[in-house]
Amino acid sequence: KAGVTQTPRYLIKTRGQQVTLSCSPISGHRSVSWYQQTPGQGLQFLFEYFSETQRNKGNFPGRFSGRQFSNSRSEMNVSTLELGDSALYLCASKRTGVSSYEQYFGPGTRLTVT
Amino acid sequence: AQTVTQSQPEMSVQEAETVTLSCTYDTSESDYYLFWYKQPPSRQMILVIRQEAYKQQNATENRFSVNFQKAAKSFSLKISDSQLGDAAMYFCAYRSAVRGADGLTFGKGTHLIIQP
Repeated sequence: KAGVTQTPRYLIKTRGQQVTLSCSPISGHRSVSWYQQTPGQGLQFLFEYFSETQRNKGNFPGRFSGRQFSNSRSEMNVSTLELGDSALYLCASKRTGVSSYEQYFGPGTRLTVT
Repeated sequence: AQTVTQSQPEMSVQEAETVTLSCTYDTSESDYYLFWYKQPPSRQMILVIRQEAYKQQNATENRFSVNFQKAAKSFSLKISDSQLGDAAMYFCAYRSAVRGADGLTFGKGTHLIIQP
């Protein structure tokens, strides 16, 4: 079974621009979560989607948004990029029901803002 | 809010020896899950082992085992017969069983070095 895939793997953007990152979960997984990883703040929860609905959002400004499609694929968008948004963005998917607490991560998208 | 603390920023162990990584957490909840994730230089997060808080028996996965002390809010990871491929960042993580949509709360990580 294919794992979680994220595109693109690497991205360089300029301050003020916006960016969209994509995540395809493991087949059959309906829940997708996003995390930001930086050297200073570590791993922080961004948001979780299930059945096209955002279930929760972490402590991030409104510039960070996301959505989930009917096929469970998810995108996250960051508008008006700041230098501090440079990070590894990780997507994770999980099943629902039995063992629904286990999350499986994708390889991440490395975003550099210059 | 829950917090997860990993007090060892870096650990070093000789190949084939045993190493224990520490993790403590703070929560007012009684039902939750705990995890250890491994992140090698490739940056892919890999689930190593999980523990349900309601289970008293410590989880084991091959060379990896945990010492779960619920009252002490401690969740250490023991790696036996360390191998070069075990070198990575290890993250301890917490997830509420009640508020699962809150996502995982991670510790800052422990960098594990394996000496050949």
